[in-house]
Amino acid sequence: EDQVTQSPEALRLQEGESSSLNCSYTVSGLRGLFWYRQDPGKGPEFLFTLYSAGEEKEKERLKATLTKKESFLHITAPKPEDSATYLCAVQAGTGNQFYFGTGTSLTVIP
Amino acid sequence: NAGVMQNPRHLVRRRGQEARLRCSPMKGHSHVYWYRQLPEEGLKFMVYLQKENIIDESGMPKERFSAEFPKEGPSILRIQQVVRGDSAAYFCASSQQGGHGYTFGSGTRLTVV
Repeated sequence: EDQVTQSPEALRLQEGESSSLNCSYTVSGLRGLFWYRQDPGKGPEFLFTLYSAGEEKEKERLKATLTKKESFLHITAPKPEDSATYLCAVQAGTGNQFYFGTGTSLTVIP
Repeated sequence: NAGVMQNPRHLVRRRGQEARLRCSPMKGHSHVYWYRQLPEEGLKFMVYLQKENIIDESGMPKERFSAEFPKEGPSILRIQQVVRGDSAAYFCASSQQGGHGYTFGSGTRLTVV
């Protein structure tokens, strides 16, 4: 069965303290890996799509990377406004659905 | 340029009642997806629709749940005879083409009392 696992479940960082979030997946025929940000009471907000191993995408303080088994979301010098739950999802095979992980809840302390 | 619009934002139903959740996709998007998010769980796929067609309903419970996306108007997710276990956040997403990145709405939070 296709699976997406995110770690850690929760992460507390001091402002400016860089770290990485992990998303490991076991799927057949990866078509894309997606990162979303979700704030409390809101829908997921799209961040990045990665399609093949070795690909990297950057946006402000965030950088996403992809290998054949996992993806990392690197957060450089985070600010309190980066506090949110970060979701990873994969699309695989011929299906239309995304398989989501349970997310990493990030708290950045001023 | 409105995004994906869902209403209502919050819905309270007594056990046995019906719940109707609405979703208007982004302008120009003809593909609609419904997901359910239970507390402490990830988003789970329910159904994928295009105008007047259900493309993939493999994630829909076999009973009490139905979805439609008519030629005119929003997509509707309908839950009949709701039970406490149906309490969750229901998210709709849309895309311009099938199989590409989604844009999500803000969700409908259903509480069954």
